[in-house]
Amino acid sequence: QSALTQPASVSGSPGQSITISCTGTSSDVGNYDLVSWYQQHPGKAPKLMIYEVSKRPSGVSDRLSGSKSGNTASLTISGLQVEDEADYYCSSYAGSSTWVFGGGTKLTVL
Amino acid sequence: EVQLVESGGGLVQPGGSLRLSCAASGFTVSSNYMSWVRQAPGRGLEWVSLIYTGGSTSYADSVKGRFTISRHNSNNTLSLQMNSLRPEDTAVYYCARDPISPSRMIDWGQGSLVTVSS
Repeated sequence: QSALTQPASVSGSPGQSITISCTGTSSDVGNYDLVSWYQQHPGKAPKLMIYEVSKRPSGVSDRLSGSKSGNTASLTISGLQVEDEADYYCSSYAGSSTWVFGGGTKLTVL
Repeated sequence: EVQLVESGGGLVQPGGSLRLSCAASGFTVSSNYMSWVRQAPGRGLEWVSLIYTGGSTSYADSVKGRFTISRHNSNNTLSLQMNSLRPEDTAVYYCARDPISPSRMIDWGQGSLVTVSS
């Protein structure tokens, strides 16, 4: 149950697009289309933004999109807004009824 | 309105025990996939445990044999019994739920801080 690998930080200007990667292995990300992404603002609980690689829960902006290629999943946020500044975590099913999170990425909107 | 409220956190000595509770409203615990996720101070999220709708349970290797997840239909709550606590168990513990899949968590509580220290 090793953590998925995410960049520690990414940044972008308002209106730009950014992509956060989430790299796992053939035992987790690469083997299941069960990757989720969560947004967490400081001092708050996480919020589900993407599930099953690319699906958005009701109420989540269509500026967010998810994808996967091999062992790496990605979250893209287009048209960056100030309120997008937060920590983002990926999660994947890892087999044998276990799940694993990524280390988190701090998004700064400059 | 769906609501999850954790309680039971606090300071405990290494080797001690603590029981966290998660009071649910707006939905039925037994009809949902219920999870515990923790976050050490300044660190990332870590999946801890899950109870399936059918009652089966699963645990992260880091807590297996020490933590027990359970649900209580009579008062619609979720619990996490934590034994043999270690300093590295220090974290905010969140309960979360999803009605559709164990691989996503649509609603979260506000968290309960557990500090393991002498």
